[in-house]
Amino acid sequence: GQNIDQPTEMTATEGAIVQINCTYQTSGFNGLFWYQQHAGEAPTFLSYNVLDGLEEKGRFSSFLSRSKGYSYLLLKELQMKDSASYLCAVRGGYNTDKLIFGTGTRLQVFP
Amino acid sequence: GAVVSQHPSRVICKSGTSVKIECRSLDFQATTMFWYRQFPKQSLMLMATSNEGSKATYEQGVEKDKFLINHASLTLSTLTVTSAHPEDSSFYICSARIAGSSYEQYFGPGTRLTVT
Repeated sequence: GQNIDQPTEMTATEGAIVQINCTYQTSGFNGLFWYQQHAGEAPTFLSYNVLDGLEEKGRFSSFLSRSKGYSYLLLKELQMKDSASYLCAVRGGYNTDKLIFGTGTRLQVFP
Repeated sequence: GAVVSQHPSRVICKSGTSVKIECRSLDFQATTMFWYRQFPKQSLMLMATSNEGSKATYEQGVEKDKFLINHASLTLSTLTVTSAHPEDSSFYICSARIAGSSYEQYFGPGTRLTVT
């Protein structure tokens, strides 16, 4: 079966660092995405990992370990506007564009 | 670039009626579009994959006769919810992949459907 797990909710303080974990068990794997979604809006692309290692993009970084079926999204210097849901999604295989989404992690940033 | 629009953004309809939602890629051609449904506080669930010029591929458990998908051109896909019921009330989001691109999907702003 297909299973992607994330913590349901997290809280953090403005200026801090937070790490959102994602573990996956899928029948195929051809890349992992992180999206940000504010309430009532569509997801926006944050990062894409297909090889093991860390990808850094400004305040956001994403890590992937394919052998462990594990990824995390690291948010630095948190701002109030980072309060949103963060969705982990796996692309299931080479012959498919289908994304399988995790349940999402709702992050609340407090002043 | 890579903007996807959806229309309408919100719609309220009566039980038993049909509703059509449009998804357009504004500045690129999309051979493949995806339709998702998202219930409150839940993640996105893929409903179907829409390919230009061919029949849509539906995910298990999604009724193809209830959720009609048409992908008539490289920039437009439509989802029609037929004989809508209150349990169809949800946030419907489409995404599109640029023709020939490797991986990224661009999401539309979503359509909030409420069936009374």
